[in-house]
Amino acid sequence: EAGVTQFPSHSVIEKGQTVTLRCDPISGHDNLYWYRRVMGKEIKFLLHFVKESKQDESGMPNNRFLAERTGGTYSTLKVQPAELEDSGVYFCASSKEGFYGYTFGSGTRLTVV
Amino acid sequence: KNEVEQSPQNLTAQEGEFITINCSYSVGISALHWLQQHPGGGIVSLFMLSSGKKKHGRLIATINIQEKHSSLHITASHPRDSAVYICAVNTDTGTASKLTFGTGTRLQVTL
Repeated sequence: EAGVTQFPSHSVIEKGQTVTLRCDPISGHDNLYWYRRVMGKEIKFLLHFVKESKQDESGMPNNRFLAERTGGTYSTLKVQPAELEDSGVYFCASSKEGFYGYTFGSGTRLTVV
Repeated sequence: KNEVEQSPQNLTAQEGEFITINCSYSVGISALHWLQQHPGGGIVSLFMLSSGKKKHGRLIATINIQEKHSSLHITASHPRDSAVYICAVNTDTGTASKLTFGTGTRLQVTL
């Protein structure tokens, strides 16, 4: 089966611009998670979708971040407007219902300059 | 203080050495995961534990629920084991729950 796909792999944008990250989970995985690693820190949870619904968005930093999951398939994470502190690596992971295992994407490295 | 602490932060070993990475957590968990990330690569799940010990090839993971501690051991280490090893836990009950991560241990195995 195909893995979790994220794109772009890298993005460099200027402060104030908008960026949209995309995650394609494994087909049939109802659970989709977004995480972020800021340089030098541990990976932190952003939000969790179950199908198209936001199950937990307690980790979203502020209202500049908007996540969607169209039809319970792929998900997008939009940052608008981007700030310098948004730089980091954004990971997506998916899992099947009733199963603890997670499959991670390769991440999107976002640099805001 | 992080809910999940790993030690050491950095580790250099020579090929063939036995390696131990430790993870301690301060919260109740339903499962603990060991993950691996090679430089420039994605995150790969190595083990999921809720009790006892698991072995896969040269990798062994153990967990002591009472002491809130887990270890990842690598026997006969090889340069291809060089990676960041990350401990993460599920603190919520149920299988569909988010992970809380440690900061990772950067392992470098030299010839």
